Amino acid sequence: SQTIHQWPATLVQPVGSPLSLECTVEGTSNPNLYWYRQAAGRGLQLLFYSVGIGQISSEVPQNLSASRPQDRQFILSSKKLLLSDSGFYLCACQPSSTDTQYFGPGTRLTVL
Amino acid sequence: AQSVSQHNHHVILSEAASLELGCNYSYGGTVNLFWYVQYPGQHLQLLLKYFSGDPLVKGIKGFEAEFIKSKFSFNLRKPSVQWSDTAEYFCAVNAPYSSASKIIFGSGTRLSIRP
Repeated sequence: SQTIHQWPATLVQPVGSPLSLECTVEGTSNPNLYWYRQAAGRGLQLLFYSVGIGQISSEVPQNLSASRPQDRQFILSSKKLLLSDSGFYLCACQPSSTDTQYFGPGTRLTVL
Repeated sequence: AQSVSQHNHHVILSEAASLELGCNYSYGGTVNLFWYVQYPGQHLQLLLKYFSGDPLVKGIKGFEAEFIKSKFSFNLRKPSVQWSDTAEYFCAVNAPYSSASKIIFGSGTRLSIRP
């Protein structure tokens, strides 16, 4: 079965600094990969998804970007963080030929 | 556009009480339905799912959910809750066989169980 790793677990960054959050997946090949942001009382908001290497779709306009340099690596980035980027970021993996997503442990980002 | 509504934002129950969390979705076609649970300090994990067949699905830890197509609902139930069921519960829906299988989540229901 698949395992999803996210790094780092927590991060405190100043406004205007860059960001790089990493998600890596083990135990499956060619999965769909997703980045969500979870806000209290507002559920999970899909930010980006990828169906393959180099293929990124953005769901909402924002200050963030995503990249998929390898099959099982998904990166969330920003050039300049905003206060509103604070939140809990979840990476999810959907193995090929399934309709179920599995989630990583998340990264808690605080922008000061 | 697809959407998922969870009308109860916070539910407080005593141990051994029965539980029903509401979930309604809006989507015109065939759907897959999910309930995910997030225990304090833990990963979001799948509780149960409905793809087709028997509309009453059973999940882990004694939970079940019933898909009622005419009501666009997929309510989660448990006959007798335990303190360890304290968690946040998310209902979700996606369209099967779509290229990216995007899942749309509800806003979540926080369940607090009094010991």
